[in-house]
Amino acid sequence: DAGVIQSPRHEVTEMGQEVTLRCKPISGHDYLFWYRQTMMRGLELLIYFNNNVPIDDSGMPEDRFSAKMPNASFSTLKIQPSEPRDSAVYFCASSLGTEYNSPLHFGNGTRLTVT
Amino acid sequence: AQSVSQHNHHVILSEAASLELGCNYSYGGTVNLFWYVQYPGQHLQLLLKYFSGDPLVKGIKGFEAEFIKSKFSFNLRKPSVQWSDTAEYFCAVNAVKAAGNKLTFGGGTRVLVKP
Repeated sequence: DAGVIQSPRHEVTEMGQEVTLRCKPISGHDYLFWYRQTMMRGLELLIYFNNNVPIDDSGMPEDRFSAKMPNASFSTLKIQPSEPRDSAVYFCASSLGTEYNSPLHFGNGTRLTVT
Repeated sequence: AQSVSQHNHHVILSEAASLELGCNYSYGGTVNLFWYVQYPGQHLQLLLKYFSGDPLVKGIKGFEAEFIKSKFSFNLRKPSVQWSDTAEYFCAVNAVKAAGNKLTFGGGTRVLVKP
């Protein structure tokens, strides 16, 4: 079990550029979550999917943020255009939701810096 | 909506000292409760969880937590800390009726254990 895999580990980009973060959940997990971690706001849930379908995107800050899950093994979080205030660590997590007491498994995160 | 409050943002203590981190949540229904740990530069890992039964839960690395329903609390404890316990600790909650573990996290407590 390779765990949740995120790429890239670090991303530095200039304001206005498009940023795409990637996540591969644990095989067989049917829930996928995107969290953002900052010093000011802590861990915030941005969006989560069940069986590739977005269930709750109320945490997505604004229209510049979008997330997709084209299949059970891949998800992307896109920011277009990026702004300095988007700088944060973005975590992807997955869980086996059929056992809804199962814990979340987190990836190593992507540290995004927007200059 | 549920919310989670961790009272201490930073804790500094010496090796062998006892540790207790406070966590309170607000939600009127039945909840599942979790503590996650994030070691420096790493992803979040599950430390322990409470679903039902004995309110005193034992986790990995000598940690335990006690669920006190009347106080809406789930405090984390360790009798004798080690330098390797330096990390950030997050309390999290989800409503039992919410499938897929949509967790709400507290703001985290950074623990520094001095050798």
